[in-house]
Amino acid sequence: QSALTQPASVSGSPGQSITFSCTGTSSDIGGYNYVSWYQQHPGKAPKLMIYDVSNRPSGVSNRFSGSKSGNTASLTISGLQAEDEADYYCSSYTSSSAPVEFGGGTKLTVL
Amino acid sequence: EVQLLESGGGLVQPGGSLRLSCAASGFTFSTHAMTWVRQAPGKGLEWVSGITVSGGSTYHADSVKGRFTISRDNSKNTLYLHMNSLRAEDTAEYYCAKVRLEYCSSTSCYSAFDIWGQGTMVTVSS
Repeated sequence: QSALTQPASVSGSPGQSITFSCTGTSSDIGGYNYVSWYQQHPGKAPKLMIYDVSNRPSGVSNRFSGSKSGNTASLTISGLQAEDEADYYCSSYTSSSAPVEFGGGTKLTVL
Repeated sequence: EVQLLESGGGLVQPGGSLRLSCAASGFTFSTHAMTWVRQAPGKGLEWVSGITVSGGSTYHADSVKGRFTISRDNSKNTLYLHMNSLRAEDTAEYYCAKVRLEYCSSTSCYSAFDIWGQGTMVTVSS
């Protein structure tokens, strides 16, 4: 059971915009602006897509954007492309015994 | 090229031990905190352990506390994970990852990992 809650799957068509949600508590997402998002293709290592809620690392497409409201963080992909099909994980700093926790992941299918 | 390369995984019996290594290149290893994250087959990501720049402070998930120890050798640009009393539930792909910020000493630094290795598989089974 992951500490952060993500829907198991979402799907969208090429060119659409799609939003992933990640729900936590005031001890993690709601209490700090330290939310990250990772993309993971099958058999590959995760890749950092967003950090500190809404910042993109160098080299990440501006089609990816992040936001937060209360205890829920969101990742939006605009102009969906076939190559975006992957698993997406959120993570957050937490005041619990471990400094970071991950969501269970959302599988994105591009129709 | 910035790179992390894990090694040391394999098949081990329950109760056994293993040491994972992670060789870093292409960046100043000694200025970044580091971490281990694992992923059981078909499952999500689980943070395992973290270590500060100097190695003076370490952090472990409750699930591995007392059994796993993270360490580093800055002279060799290498991160380690010493795993003892291994259990079937420790079976996973183990990734080492670099904390994004340099010289970050706060535990909040472990919120973003910008470079990941390719992973090394650990299987605990009799």
